[in-house]
Amino acid sequence: DAMVIQNPRYQVTQFGKPVTLSCSQTLNHNVMYWYQQKSSQAPKLLFHYYDKDFNNEADTPDNFQSRRPNTSFCFLDIRSPGLGDAAMYLCATSRELAGFGDTQYFGPGTRLTVL
Amino acid sequence: KNEVEQSPQNLTAQEGEFITINCSYSVGISALHWLQQHPGGGIVSLFMLSSGKKKHGRLIATINIQEKHSSLHITASHPRDSAVYICAVLASGSRLTFGEGTQLTVNP
Repeated sequence: DAMVIQNPRYQVTQFGKPVTLSCSQTLNHNVMYWYQQKSSQAPKLLFHYYDKDFNNEADTPDNFQSRRPNTSFCFLDIRSPGLGDAAMYLCATSRELAGFGDTQYFGPGTRLTVL
Repeated sequence: KNEVEQSPQNLTAQEGEFITINCSYSVGISALHWLQQHPGGGIVSLFMLSSGKKKHGRLIATINIQEKHSSLHITASHPRDSAVYICAVLASGSRLTFGEGTQLTVNP
């Protein structure tokens, strides 16, 4: 059974047109993460939520926002997508923040294309 | 210099060969992950380890904390093992630092 679900798997948007990516989890984990992975590069952490506590990475552009309305769902909003935002967006969860023993569970990703 | 370095970047093998992918890191860590990513797919966690060795089927992962080095071995490789293998370390808090990945292709 899928534990971290991302919708849609493929998203096409136009330059400048807002887009929302969705992540849900059945694990009841406290922490949810959003990563951006460009072609042939390592994933880059954009931000994470610990419960309702939002933590933005220092170099995450303002164009990227996130919402976590409840434990199960987390959304990534891209306000005005540029061509450089085309990437795979990965959602992950973990039970707690710190220490080993808290593996991150990844979703299948959403591949975003910007036309 | 990246905090997490993997080698090789690309690896091509024949079915049945024994494969080793290496990971070196330069920071203190609490754990190290080996992850697998198929083309167009999400990431699957293969192992998380902080010492010694773990085995799951044909996959073996080892880590030497003193030398800041880990290896992922695949025995009796198969074309379905073709994927990108990523080493990621857990340093401070919950932030994973990823290596660039090793693209493995196993030919029949």
